[in-house]
Amino acid sequence: KAGVTQTPRYLIKTRGQQVTLSCSPISGHRSVSWYQQTPGQGLQFLFEYFSETQRNKGNFPGRFSGRQFSNSRSEMNVSTLELGDSALYLCASSLVTGTFMNTEAFFGQGTRLTVV
Amino acid sequence: AQSVSQHNHHVILSEAASLELGCNYSYGGTVNLFWYVQYPGQHLQLLLKYFSGDPLVKGIKGFEAEFIKSKFSFNLRKPSVQWSDTAEYFCAVNRGGGSNYKLTFGKGTLLTVNP
Repeated sequence: KAGVTQTPRYLIKTRGQQVTLSCSPISGHRSVSWYQQTPGQGLQFLFEYFSETQRNKGNFPGRFSGRQFSNSRSEMNVSTLELGDSALYLCASSLVTGTFMNTEAFFGQGTRLTVV
Repeated sequence: AQSVSQHNHHVILSEAASLELGCNYSYGGTVNLFWYVQYPGQHLQLLLKYFSGDPLVKGIKGFEAEFIKSKFSFNLRKPSVQWSDTAEYFCAVNRGGGSNYKLTFGKGTLLTVNP
């Protein structure tokens, strides 16, 4: 079965621009999470969506936002890009439900964002 | 807030050497524990997981980990590493029984295995 698909794989943007990243979860997975990976900070949680609702948000500024559609696909948006936003953005999906959390997350290949 | 510490930033071993990577977490409640691996140029893959039961869990590729609740630890082990184990290894924690899914990761340990 198909894994988690993220598009695009690579992006180069200029400071001040905005960007939208897309994630298609594994079929049947309703929970989608986003993580930022940088050499200095490692993997940091951005937010989690379940059934089109954001259930948790990490410690990132409001420039980072996301949404989930009825087919569980998710997008994240970063507005007013800064140089420090350059990172690998990872999407993960899982079979968690409203209260069942005992399962693993499956990760996509990521989108490499470079801000110049 | 929960946190995860991985003690070794970079480990260099020769093939056939034994491996132990340390992982400690700070959360007093029920936790789910994971080790993920990231091979060069590839996505994060699950090595093994612990939810409950036997604290010694076996994963793929000969890896195992032991959950020691009293020490808040979940160390990863492999008796004999191979060159193909060269990768970055991440320990992660999720609160069990919560109302949302959030993995907290350690900073990762880069493992280099020399042939």
